[in-house]
Amino acid sequence: EPEVTQTPSHQVTQMGQEVILRCVPISNHLYFYWYRQILGQKVEFLVSFYNNEISEKSEIFDDQFSVERPDGSNFTLKIRSTKLEDSAMYFCASILYRSGEDEQYFGPGTRLTVT
Amino acid sequence: AQSVTQLGSHVSVSEGALVLLRCNYSSSVPPYLFWYVQYPNQGLQLLLKYTSAATLVKGINGFEAEFKKSETSFHLTKPSAHMSDAAEYFCAVSAPGANNLFFGTGTRLTVIP
Repeated sequence: EPEVTQTPSHQVTQMGQEVILRCVPISNHLYFYWYRQILGQKVEFLVSFYNNEISEKSEIFDDQFSVERPDGSNFTLKIRSTKLEDSAMYFCASILYRSGEDEQYFGPGTRLTVT
Repeated sequence: AQSVTQLGSHVSVSEGALVLLRCNYSSSVPPYLFWYVQYPNQGLQLLLKYTSAATLVKGINGFEAEFKKSETSFHLTKPSAHMSDAAEYFCAVSAPGANNLFFGTGTRLTVIP
């Protein structure tokens, strides 16, 4: 069964450093998402991406964040200058069509620890 | 705006007992509602979804949920808990035509042998 994969599973970085989290969505899917979950808090929507551009973003997704689909398979989330409060689990998701009814397929997540 | 509230961050049940995980939603439009499960070191997996068809929705692994508009609830149930049901469960809501999911804080289910 096709699945969304994410690398690395755990990333430790120092405050102020740049990190890139990688995701490989399901191959025929068209819409891609990043969510994050700070420990003990809700899973929060960050950004959605379609046709090589951001289609929607939350207020969490500020200028420190960027997303890219550099090739036909990877979907990346970059944090330019990490802060302590960026420590969280980051989930990538993909979906074939944007209808609201369809299932979003989630990856296993990347745990980001900023020290 | 959409949001969900999950009552109880931890729920423990005995093996074979009824599982009831609570979710209440808030939505300005008729919602789509979802339950996801997360096993350790795995991604979020869809258990079931409500998209304005039947109010009683059956999902995988024997779970079901009932959409009750009058109570703004979408509680998840399973008649008989199994050890393999131990996981984190997330309720989520979205609006028709949108895909952005709004999640609850999750409920960790422990099954006691």
